[in-house]
Amino acid sequence: DSGVTQTPKHLITATGQRVTLRCSPRSGDLSVYWYQQSLDQGLQFLIQYYNGEERAKGNILERFSAQQFPDLHSELNLSSLELGDSALYFCASSVGAGLGEEQYFGPGTRLTVT
Amino acid sequence: KNQVEQSPQSLIILEGKNCTLQCNYTVSPFSNLRWYKQDTGRGPVSLTIMTFSENTKSNGRYTATLDADTKQSSLHITASQLSDSASYICVVRDYRDDKIIFGKGTRLHILP
Repeated sequence: DSGVTQTPKHLITATGQRVTLRCSPRSGDLSVYWYQQSLDQGLQFLIQYYNGEERAKGNILERFSAQQFPDLHSELNLSSLELGDSALYFCASSVGAGLGEEQYFGPGTRLTVT
Repeated sequence: KNQVEQSPQSLIILEGKNCTLQCNYTVSPFSNLRWYKQDTGRGPVSLTIMTFSENTKSNGRYTATLDADTKQSSLHITASQLSDSASYICVVRDYRDDKIIFGKGTRLHILP
């Protein structure tokens, strides 16, 4: 158990809908990262927040947004969902701000768009 | 474009056998290289991390090697166990822009 929690574990929704994925980092970690992992793809970095501020951006679509709250938990919002958004979404956390720091991954949220 | 390529894409071996997974990268200069293990449907877990000055790093039955000159790393698994069935992901940290580049992973299946 990495200490990173994600909810929900599974999510099934229809195209065009909007969903929110939630992540709580390990105690003491200030950075939260979001990743997307599709069936045939490796982990794709989406976005990083550090202590409430956006720190780095990866391949995040405009339909997706994220935020980190004062208690350091983070939410990833996915809107106007398409079939291709079906994937595993992982959250990870680390102590500092550097992208190269050791990241502890949560168990993931499996999103299925029908 | 910085890339991390892993081979083979998938591998099947018998329990108790050894195996070696490869990672070739073009990231230069790089800060560090990590190997992660990802069980099916779970988040990745870090196995080893090496800086450019390190040649080898062990974690139990897992041994990672790094050749910074040829830009190659390998992960050697000794006396494989059924629980080693997983994807193994190589991740390289780019020194210049502090980004990390993930390989697509090698899917390892251990058969009893």
